[in-house]
Amino acid sequence: AQSVAQPEDQVNVAEGNPLTVKCTYSVSGNPYLFWYVQYPNRGLQFLLKYITGDNLVKGSYGFEAEFNKSQTSFHLKKPSALVSDSALYFCAVRDRNAGNNRKLIWGLGTSLAVNP
Amino acid sequence: GAGVSQSPSNKVTEKGKDVELRCDPISGHTALYWYRQSLGQGLEFLIYFQGNSAPDKSGLPSDRFSAERTGGSVSTLTIQRTQQEDSAVYLCASSLKGQGTEAFFGQGTRLTVV
Repeated sequence: AQSVAQPEDQVNVAEGNPLTVKCTYSVSGNPYLFWYVQYPNRGLQFLLKYITGDNLVKGSYGFEAEFNKSQTSFHLKKPSALVSDSALYFCAVRDRNAGNNRKLIWGLGTSLAVNP
Repeated sequence: GAGVSQSPSNKVTEKGKDVELRCDPISGHTALYWYRQSLGQGLEFLIYFQGNSAPDKSGLPSDRFSAERTGGSVSTLTIQRTQQEDSAVYLCASSLKGQGTEAFFGQGTRLTVV
């Protein structure tokens, strides 16, 4: 079955330190991969996506993510965390071999807390 | 408008009443999703529309829930005989046809059943 795992419910980092939010996936075919962020009392916002090409994808607000096919992972990273990065982060995947089924499969989310 | 619009933004209803939640997707987006999110929780998939294809209703939690998408644009999520456990934020998203396209979310409707 297709699934997305975000193994950490919460990640705590100090401001200025690098951050990583982990995501692994399981799909039958090749994936399209997405990261979204949800700030408190706000809707979800798209951060970045992997479609094809370079495994390192750069997105909004200085975030980046690396697609690792052998490890079936798509971890979100930022070199220097800001307090304003504190939010709920969601990883999502779509199987590009799923034909007309374009439904996204979502992880349960990881709460990131950046401490001053 | 430029984004996905949902109305109302907040809805308080009495247990047993029916409610309708509305979603206006971005113009030209053929895919439309409804999700439910309880406080601080992940996204619970409800239903997915893609163009003229039959909708994927596999996430609807009970037969009290239904959704329509008229003319390939506006969608309405209806909850009949609401229960307290229906209280949540209901999120709508839309995307273009391509599989590699990202979904854009509305701000959600916060439903409270009292």
